[in-house]
Amino acid sequence: GIQVEQSPPDLILQEGANSTLRCNFSDSVNNLQWFHQNPWGQLINLFYIPSGTKQNGRLSATTVATERYSLLYISSSQTTDSGVYFCAVGNNRLAFGKGNQVVVIP
Amino acid sequence: EPEVTQTPSHQVTQMGQEVILRCVPISNHLYFYWYRQILGQKVEFLVSFYNNEISEKSEIFDDQFSVERPDGSNFTLKIRSTKLEDSAMYFCASHRGHNTEAFFGQGTRLTVV
Repeated sequence: GIQVEQSPPDLILQEGANSTLRCNFSDSVNNLQWFHQNPWGQLINLFYIPSGTKQNGRLSATTVATERYSLLYISSSQTTDSGVYFCAVGNNRLAFGKGNQVVVIP
Repeated sequence: EPEVTQTPSHQVTQMGQEVILRCVPISNHLYFYWYRQILGQKVEFLVSFYNNEISEKSEIFDDQFSVERPDGSNFTLKIRSTKLEDSAMYFCASHRGHNTEAFFGQGTRLTVV
């Protein structure tokens, strides 16, 4: 199956800092999504981004499909950005990475 | 905005009991999925369902599990005889078409005691 690696696994940020999360995947895919898992366990869909660049407020994402990676940028981080960020890829069924655990401290 | 809804949000059951987790996918979606996430681990694919039949299943999805779309709206996951290791968050997802965005429900947290 498709392998998905996310880095860094853990990240501690000072409030206001910027960060980049990376997702590498092992095979060509038609779907790539980034999720934020909130404290209640819900998966909040951030981006559907099989290729190209998208922005939503302080978050943006870029996927370079030909090189099999995607980046999630968090700018001016806030404490509410804390949580686990998952990258999921596939061609219908999704394979998830292990996540990036982000802690933003005031 | 249309969304995938799951019930119940949390279920506690005794080991050996049967549970049914329910999902209402987005109405014009054709592809349906169940995933699970054991506490502290990554989300894992269980089964996909299209055109009223299972299209793919993982090795986790053994004879203990079954899925059904009993009417035009509900999509259910049944676990026949629950084990302690079935404790997890179960997510339902749906897609409008082939290779399109997945929409996830809010999850059902299953606790087996």
